[in-house]
Amino acid sequence: AQKITQTQPGMFVQEKEAVTLDCTYDTSDQSYGLFWYKQPSSGEMIFLIYQGSYDEQNATEGRYSLNFQKARKSANLVISASQLGDSAMYFCAMREGRGGSTLGRLYFGRGTQLTVWP
Amino acid sequence: DTGVSQDPRHKITKRGQNVTFRCDPISEHNRLYWYRQTLGQGPEFLTYFQNEAQLEKSRLLSDRFSAERPKGSFSTLEIQRTEQGDSAMYLCASTRNRVSGANVLTFGAGSRLTVL
Repeated sequence: AQKITQTQPGMFVQEKEAVTLDCTYDTSDQSYGLFWYKQPSSGEMIFLIYQGSYDEQNATEGRYSLNFQKARKSANLVISASQLGDSAMYFCAMREGRGGSTLGRLYFGRGTQLTVWP
Repeated sequence: DTGVSQDPRHKITKRGQNVTFRCDPISEHNRLYWYRQTLGQGPEFLTYFQNEAQLEKSRLLSDRFSAERPKGSFSTLEIQRTEQGDSAMYLCASTRNRVSGANVLTFGAGSRLTVL
C-alpha cells in the first residue's frame, strides 16, 4: 500500500487566491511526522512545513498552513494568497517513528503540480 | 551554512559505464540520505548514513549500487554497469539527528543521470 497518496496530479489557481493540495497517509505507527516540500523547475526540494503526529495545533508557516485531520489520516497543505512564484511541484512526505524516536527514510507522494495564473 | 552540494549536476553516460556522484552535506549534519527521483514521481529512498555508518538500504539499491561515507562527512554514490533504467535525478539530503523535533531534511540540487 502507498504510504503517501496525492490524488491531484495538477492544480490551477489564480494569483492571490487560496489553494488546498490534498495528501493522505497510511501508517500504523502512533508517532510520525508529516512534511511538505516544494520543487520548482530548478529541481531543488525546498522544505515548507512540518506537522508532528502529537501536535494538537495545525502547523502554520507564513502563507502555508497544514490542515491535519488525524482520524482521516489527511494532511492537506493550504497556500493562502497564491503568488506566481508558487508555481512548482509540491510533495507530501512522512517519516514514521518508532518508540518516539525519529528514524530513517521519508516516504514521498507522487506530487501535485501547482500552476498559479495571473 | 553553504547548503548541500552535489557534483556533478549532470552526467551523460553510455550503458555499461560506471558513474560516481558526490554529496557534501551541511557540515554539522550527521545524517545523510540518498534518494532517486524519476520523471513524474516523488523521490524514492535509497540509503542513509549516520556519521560513517550505513544504517539502512532500500531494496531499490541493487548490487550495482554502492554508497560510502568514509569519514562521516561527504558521501559518494557509485553505479556500476549503468542501465537505461538508472536514468534519474539522484538527490542527496542531510539533517542533524535530534532526539525530538522535525529533523527536517535539507536537499541538494541533485545530480541528473542520463544513460544512453
